[in-house]
Amino acid sequence: AQSVTQPDIHITVSEGASLELRCNYSYGATPYLFWYVQSPGQGLQLLLKYFSGDTLVQGIKGFEAEFKRSQSSFNLRKPSVHWSDAAEYFCAVGLKTSYDKVIFGPGTSLSVIP
Amino acid sequence: GAVVSQHPSWVICKSGTSVKIECRSLDFQATTMFWYRQFPKQSLMLMATSNEGSKATYEQGVEKDKFLINHASLTLSTLTVTSAHPEDSSFYICSAQERRRETQYFGPGTRLLVL
Repeated sequence: AQSVTQPDIHITVSEGASLELRCNYSYGATPYLFWYVQSPGQGLQLLLKYFSGDTLVQGIKGFEAEFKRSQSSFNLRKPSVHWSDAAEYFCAVGLKTSYDKVIFGPGTSLSVIP
Repeated sequence: GAVVSQHPSWVICKSGTSVKIECRSLDFQATTMFWYRQFPKQSLMLMATSNEGSKATYEQGVEKDKFLINHASLTLSTLTVTSAHPEDSSFYICSAQERRRETQYFGPGTRLLVL
């Protein structure tokens, strides 16, 4: 069965420090991969996506993610975190079935220390 | 571009009443819309997928008579929670997708509280 795991439930980093959020997926084929961010009480905003091609993808707000097929991973990175980056981050896998379906990981909560 | 709105953003209702939530794609035609439910501190759970002009496809365990979904046009889908009970209290989020596009764009969510 398809699944998405985010091993870190909660991460705390200092402002200005680098960030890496981990994501692993289980799927029989190459999936579509997404990272979304959710601020408290809000909907989800798309940070970036991978469909094919270059395995290093750039997103909004200075985020990037790298698809590693051999590790079934799609980790999100940012070189310097800002206090406004504190939020919940969801990795998601898009499946091409009879209809498009997205499976979300459990999420990683990011706290930023001033 | 790719803006999705939801209305209302907050709703409080009495147990036994029905509540309708609207999801609109404002600047694109959404051939497919999705409805999710999110409990506090948890991830999103897909409830159903609706294609314009067709019956919704419900995920396993989701009561289709409880959560009525209508996708009457390419810009509007509605979720009606019928005979709401306190356990239906949750954060409901919709998303919309254009034909042959893989990305879903999410609405801001609707928080439902059933007393």
